Amino acid sequence: AQSVTQLGSHVSVSEGALVLLRCNYSSSVPPYLFWYVQYPNQGLQLLLKYTSAATLVKGINGFEAEFKKSETSFHLTKPSAHMSDAAEYFCAVSLGAGGTSYGKLTFGQGTILTVHP
Amino acid sequence: EPEVTQTPSHQVTQMGQEVILRCVPISNHLYFYWYRQILGQKVEFLVSFYNNEISEKSEIFDDQFSVERPDGSNFTLKIRSTKLEDSAMYFCASRYLTGELFFGEGSRLTVL
Repeated sequence: AQSVTQLGSHVSVSEGALVLLRCNYSSSVPPYLFWYVQYPNQGLQLLLKYTSAATLVKGINGFEAEFKKSETSFHLTKPSAHMSDAAEYFCAVSLGAGGTSYGKLTFGQGTILTVHP
Repeated sequence: EPEVTQTPSHQVTQMGQEVILRCVPISNHLYFYWYRQILGQKVEFLVSFYNNEISEKSEIFDDQFSVERPDGSNFTLKIRSTKLEDSAMYFCASRYLTGELFFGEGSRLTVL
């Protein structure tokens, strides 16, 4: 079984400041890890994914995440926050490289990011 | 850009009524999923569907739920007799082989 914990249901940063959203996972097998973003009244959009290649993963909109096996973490960062980054962010884990298991995601509870001027 | 579309965006129904939520996945995708998010809770996996049959389902997906791909484009979730606790946002998702999972914008179901 797998699980995901996102530390902090709300994170507030100033525009231009570092964004750090924390995600820890547990998995009985090597995981596939994802970050999704949800803007108001929209669906979930994939930001980036880790699928056992490079441990530092770069995604869209300047976000990146680092897979740290020893810490069972996959924290999301962005060097400089922009007002348009305000949204809810979800960390998710799946097992399996193919078949339906790859799309069977276990989500964290989400972190709402607020960016203030 | 191709997208997953869901209808209706919001449905209000009375407890005990049947509800059908509709999804049009991306046309060449092979794997289809339903997720739900009860307000204030995590997004939860409900069911996966491949090759015209259910591949996997969660404990939530009991006999009140069913899925169908009646033609080459639609993918539906039916709740036979809705309960108050079925009130949630329901997300459809699809993907091709090992590619990215694309989500729709969700259908909000309110059961009164």
